[in-house]
Amino acid sequence: AAGVIQSPRHLIKEKRETATLKCYPIPRHDTVYWYQQGPGQDPQFLISFYEKMQSDKGSIPDRFSAQQFSDYHSELNMSSLELGDSALYFCASSLTGLIAEAFFGQGTRLTVV
Amino acid sequence: AQTVTQSQPEMSVQEAETVTLSCTYDTSESDYYLFWYKQPPSRQMILVIRQEAYKQQNATENRFSVNFQKAAKSFSLKISDSQLGDAAMYFCAYSILGPSGSRLTFGEGTQLTVNP
Repeated sequence: AAGVIQSPRHLIKEKRETATLKCYPIPRHDTVYWYQQGPGQDPQFLISFYEKMQSDKGSIPDRFSAQQFSDYHSELNMSSLELGDSALYFCASSLTGLIAEAFFGQGTRLTVV
Repeated sequence: AQTVTQSQPEMSVQEAETVTLSCTYDTSESDYYLFWYKQPPSRQMILVIRQEAYKQQNATENRFSVNFQKAAKSFSLKISDSQLGDAAMYFCAYSILGPSGSRLTFGEGTQLTVNP
């Protein structure tokens, strides 16, 4: 079965640079979520999109933005990167209205140096 | 705000034995979902088991079962016949089924070690 695809898997950026993370949800899933997991921490919800509209917002810095495109893939854009942005970024997708179960991608490990 | 608490940062178990991981949560909602996710060294988040709050029967998935105590807001995970492959970080998580999505709120995690 198709799973959530994230790219790239690893990314190294310098401080103050910009990074773009991509997520391709499971086909027919209508909701995409982004989570940030710092070293030794639990995942923290950043933002979600339902049918290409922002549906919920968590602890996402103003330097970050995200969107969902017509083909339902989503991108997380991160600007003015800081050392503290180094983390594992997960994308998850779900089919809202039926079950509350989210399926996670393998994550993008971002290292800011 | 909803919170999820896992009071055991680390647990260990002998292979083939049983271990129980604890989780408590706080919510004012009456209908919600609870999950246990496993995160092995690969860092992939893998759903282990889920429980709907409106269901009184405890969920079971093969060697994994939960003890859901709604009044006590407790949701523990029991792993029977532990295997080396069960070694991982386990996260308890909570969500509500909203009209446009269901964000997960995670606990701090419990690192499970399985000793041969």
